[in-house]
Amino acid sequence: SQKIEQNSEALNIQEGKTATLTCNYTNYSPAYLQWYRQDPGRGPVFLLLIRENEKEKRKERLKVTFDTTLKQSLFHITASQPADSATYLCGTGGSYIPTFGRGTSLIVHP
Amino acid sequence: DVKVTQSSRYLVKRTGEKVFLECVQDMDHENMFWYRQDPGLGLRLIYFSYDVKMKEKGDIPEGYSVSREKKERFSLILESASTNQTSMYLCASSLSGTGGRNEQFFGPGTRLTVL
Repeated sequence: SQKIEQNSEALNIQEGKTATLTCNYTNYSPAYLQWYRQDPGRGPVFLLLIRENEKEKRKERLKVTFDTTLKQSLFHITASQPADSATYLCGTGGSYIPTFGRGTSLIVHP
Repeated sequence: DVKVTQSSRYLVKRTGEKVFLECVQDMDHENMFWYRQDPGLGLRLIYFSYDVKMKEKGDIPEGYSVSREKKERFSLILESASTNQTSMYLCASSLSGTGGRNEQFFGPGTRLTVL
């Protein structure tokens, strides 16, 4: 079965810098990868989806890349703000079954 | 505004009780999901449903059952609650389709404590 791995250590950065979060998958190349944001005590909120044949996807200050050779997706937040502090989840779905990583906590310091 | 609602934000039950968690979505989505989320373990899929009266096991179905009698409602049942089922339970829905092609909309979660 598919496994999604995200760095369990929190990422601490200064406001204004670019945050880069990593998502690695271990088995077959998924057709889609999704990124979600989760605030404490709340359900995840969808941010971006990238398809296998897309190298890069952007939405405002967010950028996602998908490298099937490295079996990896990178999630970037440019000009980060303290309000970007949250846990970010990477997920995919093979057949019907979705699989998520454990999430990486991002802390943006003013 | 699209919405997934869950019947309770916080719930406290005793060991051995039967527990019902309800989830309702107003987006006419075909797919519905139940997850539990624990520190260090992330989101784990318990059950999902891709149509009314259809259900499929996820990664950790033991100790749970589900019911989907109407398209908008998906219920999670703990037949006999145990302390190791203390967790945050999240419901989600999405349009039909496989392979993660559609975003999931999550509810606010139910924090269940079993004493």
